[in-house]
Amino acid sequence: QKEVEQNSGPLSVPEGAIASLNCTYSDRGSQSFFWYRQYSGKSPELIMSIYSNGDKEDGRFTAQLNKASQYVSLLIRDSQPSDSATYLCAVIFLRTGGGNKLTFGTGTQLKVEL
Amino acid sequence: EPEVTQTPSHQVTQMGQEVILRCVPISNHLYFYWYRQILGQKVEFLVSFYNNEISEKSEIFDDQFSVERPDGSNFTLKIRSTKLEDSAMYFCASSETPRGDRGHFGNGTRLTVT
Repeated sequence: QKEVEQNSGPLSVPEGAIASLNCTYSDRGSQSFFWYRQYSGKSPELIMSIYSNGDKEDGRFTAQLNKASQYVSLLIRDSQPSDSATYLCAVIFLRTGGGNKLTFGTGTQLKVEL
Repeated sequence: EPEVTQTPSHQVTQMGQEVILRCVPISNHLYFYWYRQILGQKVEFLVSFYNNEISEKSEIFDDQFSVERPDGSNFTLKIRSTKLEDSAMYFCASSETPRGDRGHFGNGTRLTVT
Protein backbone atom coordinates (compact mmCIF):
# COMPACT_ATOMS: atom_id res chain seq x y z
CA GLN A 1 0.00 0.00 0.00
CA LYS A 2 1.56 3.25 -1.13
CA GLU A 3 1.14 5.93 1.54
CA VAL A 4 1.71 9.66 1.69
CA GLU A 5 1.90 11.18 5.15
CA GLN A 6 1.39 14.77 6.18
CA ASN A 7 0.83 16.47 9.49
CA SER A 8 -2.78 17.64 9.41
CA GLY A 9 -2.04 20.84 11.33
CA PRO A 10 -3.23 23.48 11.62
CA LEU A 11 0.10 25.16 11.07
CA SER A 12 -0.14 28.79 12.12
CA VAL A 13 2.41 31.35 10.96
CA PRO A 14 2.40 35.14 11.16
CA GLU A 15 2.07 37.18 8.01
CA GLY A 16 5.44 37.64 6.32
CA ALA A 17 7.00 34.53 7.87
CA ILE A 18 8.16 31.37 6.14
CA ALA A 19 5.75 28.44 6.23
CA SER A 20 7.32 24.99 6.03
CA LEU A 21 5.17 22.04 5.01
CA ASN A 22 6.43 18.49 5.05
CA CYS A 23 5.48 15.21 3.47
CA THR A 24 6.86 11.68 3.54
CA TYR A 25 6.02 8.82 1.22
CA SER A 26 6.37 5.10 1.57
CA ASP A 27 7.14 3.92 -1.94
CA ARG A 28 10.75 4.27 -3.08
CA GLY A 29 9.54 3.88 -6.67
CA SER A 30 7.68 7.17 -6.52
CA GLN A 31 9.00 9.42 -9.23
CA SER A 32 6.84 12.54 -9.51
CA PHE A 33 5.92 14.81 -6.65
CA PHE A 34 3.40 17.58 -6.46
CA TRP A 35 2.08 20.20 -4.11
CA TYR A 36 -1.53 21.29 -4.48
CA ARG A 37 -3.37 24.04 -2.65
CA GLN A 38 -7.02 23.47 -1.78
CA TYR A 39 -9.33 26.12 -0.43
CA SER A 40 -12.36 24.88 1.46
CA GLY A 41 -14.98 23.51 -0.91
CA LYS A 42 -12.77 24.00 -3.95
CA SER A 43 -10.71 21.75 -6.18
CA PRO A 44 -6.97 21.14 -5.77
CA GLU A 45 -4.83 23.71 -7.56
CA LEU A 46 -1.35 22.70 -8.69
CA ILE A 47 1.38 24.87 -7.14
CA MET A 48 4.61 22.97 -7.77
CA SER A 49 5.91 19.80 -9.31
CA ILE A 50 9.34 18.34 -8.64
CA TYR A 51 10.96 15.27 -10.13
CA SER A 52 14.63 15.25 -9.08
CA ASN A 53 16.49 15.68 -5.83
CA GLY A 54 17.17 19.22 -4.68
CA ASP A 55 15.30 22.47 -4.64
CA LYS A 56 12.93 24.00 -7.15
CA GLU A 57 11.85 27.60 -6.78
CA ASP A 58 8.85 29.38 -8.27
CA GLY A 59 8.16 32.83 -6.92
CA ARG A 60 7.51 32.61 -3.19
CA PHE A 61 7.36 28.81 -3.30
CA THR A 62 10.26 26.37 -3.01
CA ALA A 63 9.81 22.62 -3.24
CA GLN A 64 12.52 20.37 -1.85
CA LEU A 65 12.92 16.68 -2.64
CA ASN A 66 15.10 14.09 -0.94
CA LYS A 67 14.46 10.69 -2.46
CA ALA A 68 16.91 8.91 -0.15
CA SER A 69 14.88 10.07 2.85
CA GLN A 70 11.57 9.79 0.96
CA TYR A 71 10.77 13.31 1.93
CA VAL A 72 9.37 16.29 0.08
CA SER A 73 8.70 19.73 1.48
CA LEU A 74 7.21 23.06 0.47
CA LEU A 75 8.43 26.40 1.74
CA ILE A 76 6.27 29.48 1.36
CA ARG A 77 8.18 32.72 1.84
CA ASP A 78 6.54 36.00 2.87
CA SER A 79 3.33 34.17 3.80
CA GLN A 80 0.13 36.08 3.11
CA PRO A 81 -3.36 35.62 4.58
CA SER A 82 -4.45 34.48 1.12
CA ASP A 83 -2.09 31.51 1.49
CA SER A 84 -4.37 30.15 4.22
CA ALA A 85 -5.58 26.85 2.78
CA THR A 86 -4.96 23.12 2.93
CA TYR A 87 -1.80 22.01 1.17
CA LEU A 88 -1.89 18.57 -0.38
CA CYS A 89 1.19 16.53 -1.12
CA ALA A 90 0.75 14.03 -3.94
CA VAL A 91 3.06 11.48 -5.53
CA ILE A 92 3.03 9.39 -8.67
CA PHE A 93 4.65 6.01 -9.03
CA LEU A 94 5.22 5.71 -12.74
CA ARG A 95 3.96 2.61 -14.47
CA THR A 96 3.76 1.66 -18.11
CA GLY A 97 0.59 1.55 -20.12
CA GLY A 98 -1.29 4.72 -19.45
CA GLY A 99 -1.95 7.48 -16.98
CA ASN A 100 -0.47 7.40 -13.55
CA LYS A 101 -2.59 8.12 -10.53
CA LEU A 102 -1.85 10.69 -7.90
CA THR A 103 -1.71 9.35 -4.36
CA PHE A 104 -2.57 12.16 -1.96
CA GLY A 105 -1.77 12.84 1.64
CA THR A 106 -4.48 14.07 3.96
CA GLY A 107 -3.18 17.65 3.65
CA THR A 108 -1.81 20.22 6.06
CA GLN A 109 -4.01 23.14 6.99
CA LEU A 110 -2.07 26.40 6.93
CA LYS A 111 -3.30 29.51 8.70
CA VAL A 112 -1.50 32.79 8.09
CA GLU A 113 -2.34 35.24 10.84
CA LEU A 114 -2.29 39.01 10.62
CA GLU B 1 -5.32 29.48 -19.31
CA PRO B 2 -7.04 26.27 -20.46
CA GLU B 3 -9.11 24.52 -17.84
CA VAL B 4 -10.97 21.32 -17.13
CA THR B 5 -14.73 21.90 -17.06
CA GLN B 6 -17.14 19.82 -15.00
CA THR B 7 -20.92 19.78 -14.98
CA PRO B 8 -23.09 19.93 -13.02
CA SER B 9 -21.49 21.71 -10.08
CA HIS B 10 -23.97 20.12 -7.70
CA GLN B 11 -26.13 17.03 -8.19
CA VAL B 12 -28.69 15.76 -5.74
CA THR B 13 -30.08 12.29 -6.32
CA GLN B 14 -31.99 9.62 -4.50
CA MET B 15 -30.38 6.40 -3.43
CA GLY B 16 -30.56 3.79 -6.18
CA GLN B 17 -30.71 6.32 -9.02
CA GLU B 18 -28.17 6.57 -11.81
CA VAL B 19 -26.06 9.68 -12.18
CA ILE B 20 -23.71 10.83 -14.92
CA LEU B 21 -21.01 13.34 -14.13
CA ARG B 22 -19.54 15.16 -17.08
CA CYS B 23 -16.12 16.56 -17.78
CA VAL B 24 -14.42 18.34 -20.66
CA PRO B 25 -10.65 17.83 -20.27
CA ILE B 26 -8.07 20.24 -21.63
CA SER B 27 -8.01 19.73 -25.37
CA ASN B 28 -4.41 18.58 -25.93
CA HIS B 29 -4.31 16.35 -22.86
CA LEU B 30 -4.25 12.60 -23.37
CA TYR B 31 -4.62 11.23 -19.85
CA PHE B 32 -7.85 11.53 -17.92
CA TYR B 33 -8.75 10.76 -14.35
CA TRP B 34 -11.57 10.75 -11.86
CA TYR B 35 -10.97 11.34 -8.16
CA ARG B 36 -13.35 11.78 -5.29
CA GLN B 37 -13.16 13.48 -1.91
CA ILE B 38 -15.57 12.64 0.84
CA LEU B 39 -16.12 15.62 3.12
CA GLY B 40 -13.21 16.00 5.52
CA GLN B 41 -11.21 13.19 3.95
CA LYS B 42 -8.38 12.98 1.47
CA VAL B 43 -8.61 12.98 -2.28
CA GLU B 44 -8.90 9.40 -3.55
CA PHE B 45 -8.16 8.02 -6.98
CA LEU B 46 -10.99 6.28 -8.80
CA VAL B 47 -9.88 5.60 -12.37
CA SER B 48 -7.47 6.63 -15.10
CA PHE B 49 -8.25 6.53 -18.82
CA TYR B 50 -5.94 6.64 -21.80
CA ASN B 51 -6.28 5.72 -25.45
CA ASN B 52 -9.99 5.04 -25.03
CA GLU B 53 -9.63 2.51 -22.29
CA ILE B 54 -9.23 2.27 -18.54
CA SER B 55 -5.56 2.06 -17.61
CA GLU B 56 -6.01 1.68 -13.87
CA LYS B 57 -8.84 1.63 -11.36
CA SER B 58 -9.03 1.58 -7.60
CA GLU B 59 -10.96 -0.73 -5.30
CA ILE B 60 -13.60 1.98 -5.00
CA PHE B 61 -14.30 1.75 -8.73
CA ASP B 62 -16.53 -1.31 -8.61
CA ASP B 63 -19.14 -2.57 -11.07
CA GLN B 64 -21.44 0.34 -10.21
CA PHE B 65 -19.00 2.77 -11.82
CA SER B 66 -18.16 3.21 -15.47
CA VAL B 67 -16.37 5.80 -17.58
CA GLU B 68 -16.76 6.77 -21.17
CA ARG B 69 -15.34 9.15 -23.69
CA PRO B 70 -18.34 9.33 -26.03
CA ASP B 71 -16.79 11.88 -28.37
CA GLY B 72 -13.54 13.75 -28.82
CA SER B 73 -14.13 16.13 -25.95
CA ASN B 74 -16.32 14.73 -23.16
CA PHE B 75 -15.29 12.32 -20.43
CA THR B 76 -18.07 10.96 -18.22
CA LEU B 77 -18.36 9.05 -14.96
CA LYS B 78 -21.52 7.03 -14.46
CA ILE B 79 -22.70 5.61 -11.16
CA ARG B 80 -25.45 3.10 -11.90
CA SER B 81 -27.16 2.75 -8.55
CA THR B 82 -26.06 5.39 -6.09
CA LYS B 83 -25.55 4.71 -2.41
CA LEU B 84 -25.49 7.13 0.49
CA GLU B 85 -21.73 6.62 0.78
CA ASP B 86 -21.23 7.86 -2.78
CA SER B 87 -21.90 11.38 -1.51
CA ALA B 88 -18.67 13.27 -2.18
CA MET B 89 -16.95 15.81 -4.39
CA TYR B 90 -15.97 14.22 -7.67
CA PHE B 91 -13.04 15.74 -9.50
CA CYS B 92 -12.08 15.17 -13.09
CA ALA B 93 -8.44 15.76 -13.99
CA SER B 94 -6.35 15.60 -17.13
CA SER B 95 -2.66 15.71 -17.88
CA GLU B 96 -0.45 16.09 -20.90
CA THR B 97 1.90 13.25 -19.97
CA PRO B 98 1.72 10.13 -17.81
CA ARG B 99 4.12 11.85 -15.44
CA GLY B 100 1.40 14.32 -14.60
CA ASP B 101 2.98 17.36 -16.18
CA ARG B 102 0.66 20.33 -16.16
CA GLY B 103 -2.04 18.21 -14.54
CA HIS B 104 -5.21 20.16 -13.87
CA PHE B 105 -8.32 19.46 -11.84
CA GLY B 106 -11.80 20.60 -12.71
CA ASN B 107 -13.91 22.52 -10.20
CA GLY B 108 -15.67 19.36 -9.15
CA THR B 109 -19.21 18.06 -8.89
CA ARG B 110 -20.69 17.82 -5.43
CA LEU B 111 -22.84 14.68 -5.40
CA THR B 112 -25.39 14.37 -2.63
CA VAL B 113 -27.24 11.08 -2.33
CA THR B 114 -30.36 11.17 -0.14
